[in-house]
Amino acid sequence: ETGVTQTPRHLVMGMTNKKSLKCEQHLGHNAMYWYKQSAKKPLELMFVYNFKEQTENNSVPSRFSPECPNSSHLFLHLHTLQPEDSALYLCASSQLSAGANVLTFGAGSRLTVL
Amino acid sequence: AQSVTQLDSQVPVFEEAPVELRCNYSSSVSVYLFWYVQYPNQGLQLLLKYLSGSTLVESINGFEAEFNKSQTSFHLRKPSVHISDTAEYFCAVMATGGSYIPTFGRGTSLIVHP
Repeated sequence: ETGVTQTPRHLVMGMTNKKSLKCEQHLGHNAMYWYKQSAKKPLELMFVYNFKEQTENNSVPSRFSPECPNSSHLFLHLHTLQPEDSALYLCASSQLSAGANVLTFGAGSRLTVL
Repeated sequence: AQSVTQLDSQVPVFEEAPVELRCNYSSSVSVYLFWYVQYPNQGLQLLLKYLSGSTLVESINGFEAEFNKSQTSFHLRKPSVHISDTAEYFCAVMATGGSYIPTFGRGTSLIVHP
């Protein structure tokens, strides 16, 4: 596996379910991100982890719970979601250093909440 | 804080025609600028970036963008597009100091017709 891998690629869940999205990066990067991509809306930054420490939480509802057990893995735990949470969830990673921060994205997990 | 405006949500063109995707940014400090591309059912990938030096930057697949500081623009151009260029294009800006998190525009959907 190379780059950033996200599983599952597609997920359908009811509003009372609990599920998790998984992201793994094989690039040796030290920062990982969750973004939400909805149709006709800008990319929404949800969470950022820098050296496994959460450094950003963009007022995301508590029904989304991130977990970063190490610098290569990132999870997004989902609980009692709403239909408006249906979107493409993108994971990204980068190597933070002096200079420009270039993100490498995974292919995304398409979530549908019924 | 920085902001990005992509003036066109959708740009339809015919194959082999030239195209320009517009991007304007706002920032009180100097910036790095990026174009990312998202092909159908994929995540975003870096197309090109401006860090410093020559204001004209090029990608390996024939796209180019020019940093214009006075007009705060970073428009993306290609002299002759292919069907395979059909994708969503995102402009992004990042301050050269301070926050390492890029700000993305809403995206422009490039649709190339045969």
